[in-house]
Amino acid sequence: AQKVTQAQTEISVVEKEDVTLDCVYETRDTTYYLFWYKQPPSGELVFLIRRNSFDEQNEISGRYSWNFQKSTSSFNFTITASQVVDSAVYFCALRGADSGTYKYIFGTGTRLKVLA
Amino acid sequence: ETGVTQTPRHLVMGMTNKKSLKCEQHLGHNAMYWYKQSAKKPLELMFVYNFKEQTENNSVPSRFSPECPNSSHLFLHLHTLQPEDSALYLCASSPISGTPYLDEQYFGPGTRLTVT
Repeated sequence: AQKVTQAQTEISVVEKEDVTLDCVYETRDTTYYLFWYKQPPSGELVFLIRRNSFDEQNEISGRYSWNFQKSTSSFNFTITASQVVDSAVYFCALRGADSGTYKYIFGTGTRLKVLA
Repeated sequence: ETGVTQTPRHLVMGMTNKKSLKCEQHLGHNAMYWYKQSAKKPLELMFVYNFKEQTENNSVPSRFSPECPNSSHLFLHLHTLQPEDSALYLCASSPISGTPYLDEQYFGPGTRLTVT
């Protein structure tokens, strides 16, 4: 069975603070893909990043960075110097590749509130 | 128009009504998805269409009936819904390029459905 856990339901930070959103996943697939999506108040999920199971390099994109650790089955997302526009719900997702299906498993999301 | 569009954005219907949700993607993708997003629950995959063929039905009640006439359009026909079906219904598409690593999903803004 595949599962994604985002234990943090809601996080509030003050602007310019750094914040880390946690994601822990479970899968028996040897090949799998991990994703982060942002859902602003408008409702549309916006793709942020993908990672495959063979690439444990961390990635940085501007103020965003991702830490993928297979040993702990985690794929955490850090926003540096947060801004009010970062306020949204963030979803972590997993797609196993061994079965050849296109089924994505999403976590329950973490609501981030950045206060001015 | 670009991206993934959904109509209507908001829908209120009675339990005896019949209505349809429409999704259209302008990205040249070959796979389309319906998701249900309820409060405090993970995003639930409902249906997957790959090259117009349904490849996934995630134990969805028959009061939800999908239709995919071509790779660009996806419908969700609704009839005799229950109040617990009230949710945000999200449509997504992905390339199915043959390289799963690249198959991130692009989401529409969703239809907010209220069943009275």
